[in-house]
Amino acid sequence: EAGVTQSPTHLIKTRGQQATLRCSPISGHTSVYWYQQALGLGLQFLLWYDEGEERNRGNFPPRFSGRQFPNYSSELNVNALELEDSALYLCASSSPVEAGPNTDTQYFGPGTRLTVL
Amino acid sequence: AQSVTQPDIHITVSEGASLELRCNYSYGATPYLFWYVQSPGQGLQLLLKYFSGDTLVQGIKGFEAEFKRSQSSFNLRKPSVHWSDAAEYFCAVGPYNTDKLIFGTGTRLQVFP
Repeated sequence: EAGVTQSPTHLIKTRGQQATLRCSPISGHTSVYWYQQALGLGLQFLLWYDEGEERNRGNFPPRFSGRQFPNYSSELNVNALELEDSALYLCASSSPVEAGPNTDTQYFGPGTRLTVL
Repeated sequence: AQSVTQPDIHITVSEGASLELRCNYSYGATPYLFWYVQSPGQGLQLLLKYFSGDTLVQGIKGFEAEFKRSQSSFNLRKPSVHWSDAAEYFCAVGPYNTDKLIFGTGTRLQVFP
């Protein structure tokens, strides 16, 4: 079974540009989570999508946004890039709540490293 | 406030030695607890998880962790460390019904031959 996939692996942008990161969840998973792992700041929760809806949002400005598509894949968009947005962006997925006790386990992809110059 | 503390930023052990990585949490309800491992430049791999039941849980790669409610701890252990275990280890806590995970700051493990 394929795991969570993310693209691109690396992304280099300049200040003020927009970045789009993509995530495909494990087959059968309906929830997608985005986390930012910035140097010195640890792993911070960004967004949670489930069944196409945004369910929760971390303490990030509105220029961080995303969406989930009908096939449960997801995009994270970062507008007006700033230098401090440079980080590893990790996507995770989990299975539907009604699937049983293992639904609360998040499985992570390899990440997209965003560098803002 | 919900939080996870990993007191050890960096641990160095010799190959074959035993290992214990500490994790303490602060959480209002019964937590779901996780340990993940991250190799350099990679994503997170789930080592083990605790939801309920037996407080000693077994994971992959020979790791185990023990949930101690009275100490609000979920320490990760391995009896004999291999050089390939060198990585960063993250403890995380989460609620039921899926939602964000709260991560500790991580412990970097270095293994000497």
